[in-house]
Amino acid sequence: EAQVTQNPRYLITVTGKKLTVTCSQNMNHEYMSWYRQDPGLGLRQIYYSMNVEVTDKGDVPEGYKVSRKEKRNFPLILESPSPNQTSLYFCASSPSGLAFSSTDTQYFGPGTRLTVL
Amino acid sequence: DAKTTQPNSMESNEEEPVHLPCNHSTISGTDYIHWYRQLPSQGPEYVIHGLTSNVNNRMASLAIAEDRKSSTLILHRATLRDAAVYYCILRGGSNYKLTFGKGTLLTVNP
Repeated sequence: EAQVTQNPRYLITVTGKKLTVTCSQNMNHEYMSWYRQDPGLGLRQIYYSMNVEVTDKGDVPEGYKVSRKEKRNFPLILESPSPNQTSLYFCASSPSGLAFSSTDTQYFGPGTRLTVL
Repeated sequence: DAKTTQPNSMESNEEEPVHLPCNHSTISGTDYIHWYRQLPSQGPEYVIHGLTSNVNNRMASLAIAEDRKSSTLILHRATLRDAAVYYCILRGGSNYKLTFGKGTLLTVNP
């Protein structure tokens, strides 16, 4: 089944304890992205990647790191989490990367609910 | 990015048609109109997209005004499973990012 998977689905942690949220897609998509969703603020893009080793900042990149060493994986790293990073996180992928098409559709993972105490 | 305007919420009865409007008066000629929806406790999912002509797929229909300044997502027979937030998004040029507004919260009554 074509899908985007995220792990963990739920995580409670403490301030300053490094964590990684994994994202994997099995559709051979070039483009991958991370969003966070907060009440009243909607979905905001954190980072995106148009292909292996090509990443760029989205709207709210502060406090996050990403890497894209393989096409299928796009982990989100919080080196020193803070309470304001408590949020619902979504990973997404879409077929086209550098050869972007306006008809491109994105596939989203199920979400990771992160709480930082 | 061109802006879209949607009602905050709408209500429907099960098995009745639902028409979800979206205004995009500043749409450019190359912008595609995309619709996504987000079911409770799930990630957004793609519904449909179009450029000028009306479009149909297994999930919904998209009716696009002749001047392209508005569009309507049509669910022909709403089910309880269609209760979700529906987002109307414009994509064009090199717009890699999906910009989600607040969307329309659709409530379906049994």
